[in-house]
Amino acid sequence: KAGVTQTPRYLIKTRGQQVTLSCSPISGHRSVSWYQQTPGQGLQFLFEYFSETQRNKGNFPGRFSGRQFSNSRSEMNVSTLELGDSALYLCASSFLLAGVSDTQYFGPGTRLTVL
Amino acid sequence: KQEVTQIPAALSVPEGENLVLNCSFTDSAIYNLQWFRQDPGKGLTSLLLIQSSQREQTSGRLNASLDKSSGRSTLYIAASQPGDSATYLCASGPGAGNAGNMLTFGGGTRLMVKP
Repeated sequence: KAGVTQTPRYLIKTRGQQVTLSCSPISGHRSVSWYQQTPGQGLQFLFEYFSETQRNKGNFPGRFSGRQFSNSRSEMNVSTLELGDSALYLCASSFLLAGVSDTQYFGPGTRLTVL
Repeated sequence: KQEVTQIPAALSVPEGENLVLNCSFTDSAIYNLQWFRQDPGKGLTSLLLIQSSQREQTSGRLNASLDKSSGRSTLYIAASQPGDSATYLCASGPGAGNAGNMLTFGGGTRLMVKP
């Protein structure tokens, strides 16, 4: 079974631009979560989608948004990029059983650099 | 708000040694706790998931325990090998009554096993 895939793997953008990252979960997984990892703040939860609905959202500004499609693939978008948005963005998928949290499987991440 | 702490932040041991990594969390009303491994510049690899009703889980040379009453989890690695060198992260699952998959991560323990 293929793992979680994320595209692109690396991105370089300039301040003020916007970016869209993509995540394809493991087949059969309907829950997709996004995390930001930086050296200073560690791993922080961005948001989670299940059946095309956002179920949880972390403490990030409205410039960070996401969506999930009917095939469970997810995208996250960051508008008006700032230098501090440079990070490794990780996507995770899981198979929820009766809505209860289950093992999460992470993708390799997208390394975003904002210049 | 859940807070997860990992001690020590870094650990260096000779090959063959048994070792224990510690994780503490402030809110004991969690569904589960998960341990991950992260190699430099890579995504996270799930090691063990302990549900709130369990006390421990084992996989090969790894054993993870969970004590909700004291807000602690430990990851025991037996007979360490240089290939075990990585950053180990613990993450608490959502709190009781919170459907979803939001994980709260500790800062990680960077392990180096010397040949």
